[in-house]
Amino acid sequence: NAGVTQTPKFRVLKTGQSMTLLCAQDMNHEYMYWYRQDPGMGLRLIHYSVGEGTTAKGEVPDGYNVSRLKKQNFLLGLESAAPSQTSVYFCASSPRAEGSDEQFFGPGTRLTVL
Amino acid sequence: GQNIDQPTEMTATEGAIVQINCTYQTSGFNGLFWYQQHAGEAPTFLSYNVLDGLEEKGRFSSFLSRSKGYSYLLLKELQMKDSASYLCAVTDSNYQLIWGAGTKLIIKP
Repeated sequence: NAGVTQTPKFRVLKTGQSMTLLCAQDMNHEYMYWYRQDPGMGLRLIHYSVGEGTTAKGEVPDGYNVSRLKKQNFLLGLESAAPSQTSVYFCASSPRAEGSDEQFFGPGTRLTVL
Repeated sequence: GQNIDQPTEMTATEGAIVQINCTYQTSGFNGLFWYQQHAGEAPTFLSYNVLDGLEEKGRFSSFLSRSKGYSYLLLKELQMKDSASYLCAVTDSNYQLIWGAGTKLIIKP
């Protein structure tokens, strides 16, 4: 069991470039999430998905798009990167959102936008 | 608005006990989580509380008072490997996790 994996682990972009972050989970979880983590702030939810083919906006969705074409994969896209998107991005998954279901996190992607 | 407060940083001595507090104001409450995050790594689950009281799990315990909007994480017999950030998170009425900024715990020998 690999759990939750993310690619790439590191990336440097120039302003205006685009990229896609890939998240994969092998636990058959229904829910998947994309967060960003910035110094001095809590994890902030960007987008999430409650099942294959469904996505929803989180707290900070602007500048990002997502897709969940397959249950095990959740993609995060940046169409035109900005320096404000420099952050560490974490993907997570959980069986459900209710109750004591913990979220399992990937190792993170460290993105720098110049 | 929704708000979770934790101390930014705490220092403790190896072998001692430390208590990390968390207060919250959220739209609804469906449980409170504590996660541990070592520097440069992903958060990992420590504990979950939904009812008032103390949950004990080895060297770690977590307490919840829903009426006071308050929780604490108690770490006993501190080890150097416990140096990490500890994140408090509350599940709100929409079953989304609202995260605190985390408490960086420094353990000194």
